[in-house]
This record gives sequence, structure tokens and C-alpha cells, in this order.
Amino acid sequence: AQSVAQPEDQVNVAEGNPLTVKCTYSVSGNPYLFWYVQYPNRGLQFLLKYITGDNLVKGSYGFEAEFNKSQTSFHLKKPSALVSDSALYFCAVRASSGGSYIPTFGRGTSLIVHP
Amino acid sequence: NAGVTQTPKFRILKIGQSMTLQCTQDMNHNYMYWYRQDPGMGLKLIYYSVGAGITDKGEVPNGYNVSRSTTEDFPLRLELAAPSQTSVYFCASSESMGTTGELFFGEGSRLTVL
Repeated sequence: AQSVAQPEDQVNVAEGNPLTVKCTYSVSGNPYLFWYVQYPNRGLQFLLKYITGDNLVKGSYGFEAEFNKSQTSFHLKKPSALVSDSALYFCAVRASSGGSYIPTFGRGTSLIVHP
Repeated sequence: NAGVTQTPKFRILKIGQSMTLQCTQDMNHNYMYWYRQDPGMGLKLIYYSVGAGITDKGEVPNGYNVSRSTTEDFPLRLELAAPSQTSVYFCASSESMGTTGELFFGEGSRLTVL
């Protein structure tokens, strides 16, 4: 079975500081990994994904994520946080082959960026 | 493109009432999904469909039913509403199995059962 853990319910960071939202995963075989963002009273929006290749993936709004196979992690990062980045962030995983093609989502991490 | 459209956005039901949440997408995606989101619990998959005429249960299907008569539409039916079904429901779609495609979500339907 595949699973995702987001160990922090909430991350607080000051505007202008770097941010990291953590994600670890478990899946059979090679993973496809995704990050989504949810603003208040909205649906989830795709941010970025890792499929293969370079371990550092760049996505929308200046976000990037680093895939680490040995640590089974896919942490979301941004060099300089903005107040407008405050939102709920979800990590998701699915198997690249074999297994279920249905993605499994983490419980979400609330990012709060303070002015 | 409108993407994924859900209706209604808000609804209050009494215990035992029935209703259908509508979902339609205009991206010609084969895969469609229904999730529910409860505070601090993330997203739970209710049902999904890999194409017209094919549906399957997800993690929390009890109390719900779906149908998929066309590629575009994937309605979710609640037959006998219970307070435990108070939640925010999201419909999503993606390209076919075997692609790396991300999910596209609707704006959600907030349901309260009293």
C-alpha cells in the first residue's frame, strides 16, 4: 500500500525567510510525487511534480521540491516566503507502474507566513 | 476551458434526505474522482471512475453512489444523509492511466447535514 506522511500540521515562517514543508512517502517501485496548494474555500491546485530525472523540481509561484530517494522524501521549498503563500499544502504519491494509479494524499500542512 | 465544475457550492440537508452533487469536466479526461475533505484529515477517496460506464469504490464509499454515463459527468449521490456526511466534497479529473498527469479539482461543494 502507498502512503504519505506530512509530519507538521502547521508551519510558521516570517515573510522573506526560506520555507520548507516536509513530506515522506511509501510506495512500491518508483514514485510519482506531487504537491498541491489549497487557498481558503477553493479547490486544490497543482504546484509541481517529480516523475524522473533531476531531483530538484521547479514549479509554480517560485516553489521547488527536492526528491530524495534514500530518505523517501519530497520536501517543498521556497527561498523567500510571501504572505500570499499562506495556504494548505498537500503532498501526494502514486506508483509509476504496477500498483494503484490512484494518488494517495497526505493530511496537509497549513503554511502561515507572518508579515 | 471551464475545467472541473461542481454544483451546488453549498447545501444544507436534513437527516434522511437525499441529494446529488453534480460534477462535469470539459478536458476529455478519462479518470474522475470524488473526495471528501474533513478538517485535519486530508482527502479521502470516495469513488473513482476510469471511463464512461466504469466506477469503483475508494476508501470511504459507504453512504454514497456514483454513475458515469458520459466522459464529462460524474455525479455523486447521497441516498440517506447522515450528520457524518457533513464535509466538503471535491470532484477531480486526470488523464488516462499510465500518464503522469496531475489531478484537476473543482471548487468544492460544502454539505451540512442537520
